[in-house]
Amino acid sequence: KNEVEQSPQNLTAQEGEFITINCSYSVGISALHWLQQHPGGGIVSLFMLSSGKKKHGRLIATINIQEKHSSLHITASHPRDSAVYICAGGGADGLTFGKGTHLIIQP
Amino acid sequence: NAGVMQNPRHLVRRRGQEARLRCSPMKGHSHVYWYRQLPEEGLKFMVYLQKENIIDESGMPKERFSAEFPKEGPSILRIQQVVRGDSAAYFCASSPRQAEGYTFGSGTRLTVV
Repeated sequence: KNEVEQSPQNLTAQEGEFITINCSYSVGISALHWLQQHPGGGIVSLFMLSSGKKKHGRLIATINIQEKHSSLHITASHPRDSAVYICAGGGADGLTFGKGTHLIIQP
Repeated sequence: NAGVMQNPRHLVRRRGQEARLRCSPMKGHSHVYWYRQLPEEGLKFMVYLQKENIIDESGMPKERFSAEFPKEGPSILRIQQVVRGDSAAYFCASSPRQAEGYTFGSGTRLTVV
């Protein structure tokens, strides 16, 4: 059974801070996804990783395949980054989701 | 390219009624996935369909729930005789190939009263 664990569950930070959200996953997962969900809103796919590192604007995602660990970083955080960030492991059976990290960036 | 379109955005049903949730995948995507997000819980896989075929329905409750993805038209998630516990956000995603390049819809928020 694929499993995905995320931490922290909740994170509150000040505007401008560097944010890190962590994700560990089990065997059977061939790609790691990072998703963003705004309150009352839909889900946006941020990254899909199977190796290395990807960057999009102020967002950076990394993955360590040997350690089965991925991180999502946000540089120069802004209140509009406040959302739930979800890590999901992709395998042959589809996606297995972490419980999400509730991020609040205070001005 | 309109992305993955789900409708309705909000659906209110009385206990015992039927709920029909629609998902139109992105153009060129033939793989559709349905997920459910219960209040205060994470997303859970329900069913994976490819045109006219159910590939994996291991996450679907055995009773009252069904899904289809016909040759023409949107994918439909159907919940018969809804109960209060069915109240949740239902998300659809599509991909051009199995397990690759997911695009999510905005979800349908079902409330059973």
